Amino acid sequence: AQSVAQPEDQVNVAEGNPLTVKCTYSVSGNPYLFWYVQYPNRGLQFLLKYITGDNLVKGSYGFEAEFNKSQTSFHLKKPSALVSDSALYFCAVRVAFQKLVFGTGTRLLVSP
Amino acid sequence: NAGVTQTPKFQVLKTGQSMTLQCAQDMNHNSMYWYRQDPGMGLRLIYYSASEGTTDKGEVPNGYNVSRLNKREFSLRLESAAPSQTSVYFCASSGGRESGGMDEQFFGPGTRLTVL
Repeated sequence: AQSVAQPEDQVNVAEGNPLTVKCTYSVSGNPYLFWYVQYPNRGLQFLLKYITGDNLVKGSYGFEAEFNKSQTSFHLKKPSALVSDSALYFCAVRVAFQKLVFGTGTRLLVSP
Repeated sequence: NAGVTQTPKFQVLKTGQSMTLQCAQDMNHNSMYWYRQDPGMGLRLIYYSASEGTTDKGEVPNGYNVSRLNKREFSLRLESAAPSQTSVYFCASSGGRESGGMDEQFFGPGTRLTVL
């Protein structure tokens, strides 16, 4: 089955340190991958996507993600975390036209 | 632009009651979606509408019906609510066919539904 996995329920990082939120995928054919963020009591907001081309994708709020085909991964990264980055992060993969499958989410906690 | 709006924000139902969740978007998007979010399970697609006049089942359609009223509006109906349908429901929209189906989805603020 086509899917994404987020192996960490929670990631803790100190403000100013780099952060990584992990995502691996399983799809047939070329993967189209997305990252979304959800703040408390809000809907999801789009951060970035990989369709084709450069393996390093830059997105909103200073986030970037690295696509690695050999490791079937699409990890979300930020060089310097902010307390305001604390939120729930979802990885998603397109499995059919206009259809996405989401991971279970990773809670990021950035401590001051 | 308001983006994607949903009503109501909160709702409490008794088992067996029915209700309709409303969703509207003002971005002229072709595709619209209904998801449910449950702890530890991420978002699961209930139904989607690739374009006006079409609807298709997603991953968890049982117990739900949808109507794509026009290009702007996509409603979700629970005919006979069950406690298992307690969840947070999100509507989303995306550009659709012109973009090759690879554009991002825009989400509404959600409806928190409790079924007693």
